[in-house]
Amino acid sequence: QSALTQPASVSGSPGQSITISCTGTSSDVGSYNLVSWYQQHPGKAPKLMIYEGSKRPSGVSNRFSGSKSGNTASLTISGLQAEDEADYYCCSYAGSSTLFGGGTKLTVL
Amino acid sequence: QITLKESGPTLVKPTQTLTLTCTFSGFSLSTSGVGVGWIRQPPGKALEWLALIYWDDDKRYSPSLKSRLTITKDTSKNQVVLTMTNMDPVDTATYYCAHRSLAAAWDYWGQGTLVTVSS
Repeated sequence: QSALTQPASVSGSPGQSITISCTGTSSDVGSYNLVSWYQQHPGKAPKLMIYEGSKRPSGVSNRFSGSKSGNTASLTISGLQAEDEADYYCCSYAGSSTLFGGGTKLTVL
Repeated sequence: QITLKESGPTLVKPTQTLTLTCTFSGFSLSTSGVGVGWIRQPPGKALEWLALIYWDDDKRYSPSLKSRLTITKDTSKNQVVLTMTNMDPVDTATYYCAHRSLAAAWDYWGQGTLVTVSS
């Protein structure tokens, strides 16, 4: 099983929207609605931002949204803020296993 | 309030066995559906899932590391233990334990512990 595929980096200006993709296969992302997304600031533990593809945990800003189409899941951040600059990881249930993406560094210009 | 904390050696020698303990509070690992797992992150690199243990003692392992990993739980102590054999410098990483929700998401994480493998 290979890691999920994410772009290495994305960037956007404050106020703009960006989307991070996460591509898997029909054995993981495509088979289950169990994709989650994590935000990680330098030196900190990851923080859950999205679960079950599109649900937000309590306390997570509604500027964060998730979706899925086929074998690709996406995280969209609208109204970019400086504090959104971080690494983002997707994760998918894969039956007896769990897969993480390679991570995407978001730069807020 | 759910909290988790990892503990164990910060430095191990190549070929040695690493034993990490995750001590948690705020939930019980005897509650149906609950799981605790281990995820690691080499410096500057991506997260990698290692292992997961469920409330019913069902265990799952990363296929690529399965032969080296063992995960166990002590429900009475609220602890989960991960052992990894035959450590190598490439295993140098921050090791996290995390609570796994019913939605298969890692909703609570420990602070992580950096383990360096060096002679």
